[in-house]
Amino acid sequence: DTAVSQTPKYLVTQMGNDKSIKCEQNLGHDTMYWYKQDSKKFLKIMFSYNNKELIINETVPNRFSPKSPDKAHLNLHINSLELGDSAVYFCASSQFTEETQYFGPGTRLLVL
Amino acid sequence: GEDVEQSLFLSVREGDSSVINCTYTDSSSTYLYWYKQEPGAGLQLLTYIFSNMDMKQDQRLTVLLNKKDKHLSLRIADTQTGDSAIYFCAEKYGGATNKLIFGTGTLLAVQP
Repeated sequence: DTAVSQTPKYLVTQMGNDKSIKCEQNLGHDTMYWYKQDSKKFLKIMFSYNNKELIINETVPNRFSPKSPDKAHLNLHINSLELGDSAVYFCASSQFTEETQYFGPGTRLLVL
Repeated sequence: GEDVEQSLFLSVREGDSSVINCTYTDSSSTYLYWYKQEPGAGLQLLTYIFSNMDMKQDQRLTVLLNKKDKHLSLRIADTQTGDSAIYFCAEKYGGATNKLIFGTGTLLAVQP
């Protein structure tokens, strides 16, 4: 069973479109994260939710809106996609009081 | 500051040892991590070390931490071609959240 899963695995779309990517974890963790890895492989935290509450919100454009319907799911909706949004988006989860974050396989987004 | 630096590239011969270095800036980091990313794949946690430890060994992997110099290293003994990947160090930011600050990544190329 996959611990942290993301859908879709690949997403190719046009500039200006709105798209969502989804993440689910079956580890029973209470905290989930979105990270962005750009074309130079730099990895940066975007958002984090703990028990469905937003606890990290880095300097990310308003076009990005995370939503956590429950502790096991964290979705990322992106409005008005831009070329610079092309990246790999990684979801991760952890138990807040513990030290390890587990990463999903990534969603490769290409904006044309 | 939240900078974590790594050298970009390391090339070794199969059977040799590899040493990947990392420097970080947040002296209040509680945990430091090494993740591995194979081409086109997600992030795999290799090992981590608590900040009050100097060294941790796990099979072929040895992590050394010099807290005074804020320097972390990962030694891979008997490097194999399957070890070719990008290696990221990460520090758990010492603030109230659990965010990880990732290094720039080191591409390890193992020559047969």
